[in-house]
Formats: sequence, structure tokens, C-alpha cells
Amino acid sequence: DADVTQTPRNRITKTGKRIMLECSQTKGHDRMYWYRQDPGLGLRLIYYSFDVKDINKGEISDGYSVSRQAQAKFSLSLESAIPNQTALYFCATSDRDTNTGELFFGEGSRLTVL
Amino acid sequence: AQSVTQLGSHVSVSEGALVLLRCNYSSSVPPYLFWYVQYPNQGLQLLLKYTSAATLVKGINGFEAEFKKSETSFHLTKPSAHMSDAAEYFCAVRGGYQKVTFGTGTKLQVIP
Repeated sequence: DADVTQTPRNRITKTGKRIMLECSQTKGHDRMYWYRQDPGLGLRLIYYSFDVKDINKGEISDGYSVSRQAQAKFSLSLESAIPNQTALYFCATSDRDTNTGELFFGEGSRLTVL
Repeated sequence: AQSVTQLGSHVSVSEGALVLLRCNYSSSVPPYLFWYVQYPNQGLQLLLKYTSAATLVKGINGFEAEFKKSETSFHLTKPSAHMSDAAEYFCAVRGGYQKVTFGTGTKLQVIP
């Protein structure tokens, strides 16, 4: 089983719908991240969480919200999806103890907003 | 603040030729630097990382990168390209507070 699991892997939805992307990890890391990948733009940070009570906005947080339900679970929500949120979304974790910033990624959730 | 610039969104090499993917960084603190690879329909996996130890870093699959502070560069190389190296490669920098910033990526095409 993957250490970082994202669900769903693919989702097609309509404008205005609420969408939740879920991430769970078995690596025991305290730090979790949500990134968005768009062609030609690389990965951009949406939100990050250094522990259950510490959640921070990244560079492109508008239109998104997150919930850290437990150390192992970090969900990303789109309250009212719009077409320009069509993208590939990645959850990642890192280990505070090693403190290098090395990220461990899930396999991604491809979201299409019609 | 930190940033990464990857020169060339697409690079094509012949099988067996040298691979050179360029990355320049900007960071207000001593950086940690990374190269990640993304194969089609997969997540990103770490190729190698620089964490202020040796400036020449060796990674998986025969890749290596050299940290050059004077040039603010961290270019990725492989002496001989293989067809299986075709993928997208991302350079990334960790500055303050463990926030990691990615470059825009370079797609490597390997021509038989």
C-alpha cells in the first residue's frame, strides 16, 4: 500500500459543486501539504499544516479550505468549484525530525470542473 | 523569499547522450535543494537532494547534481540517457520554515 494515499484519484464535477479531496498517510510525519499542478506552472502550494492545530495558507489558497482531522489525515475542500480549478492536486508529507524539507507525495487527484 | 528557475520547458536528447537540465535558485537563507521526477500518471519522487554537505550530490538512476553557490545553480546531469529517463523533472528549493518552492518543470524526451 502507498504511504500517502489520495482519494479520489479522478473526479469530474460541475461548476458550483462542493468537492473534497482526501489524503491519508502512514509515514508518521507531522507535516502535510496540498499542492496544485498545472501544465507549465509546476507545483504551487495551496495549504500546509505542521501539526493538527497549525494550518497555514500557501501561495494560492483563495477558493480552497483544508481540515486536519488527525495527524494522518489532511483534506482539501473546494466550496464552490470553478473551471479554473481544473488541475492535478497532490498531497505531500515531510518529517519534522529530519528537517530537510524532503517531500513524499501521493499519486495525485485529477479534478475536472465543467 | 525563495524561487527556482528551470531553463527550458522541453529538452530532447538522443539515447546515450548527456542529459543536462538547468536549475537556478534564489533564497534568503542557505538553501536545501531537490530534484524530483514525475513519470506519466504518477506522483513525484525524489531523485536527489542537497542539504549543505557535499556539493556534488548523487541520486538514483545515475543522476547527479552539483551545488554552485557562486552561480546559484543546481543543474542535473546524467552521462548517458536511457529511454526510461523520459519524464518531467522538477527542481525545488526549501527556504525558511520548511516551505518548498518548485520550478515550472522540464520535460525530457529521449530519442532512440
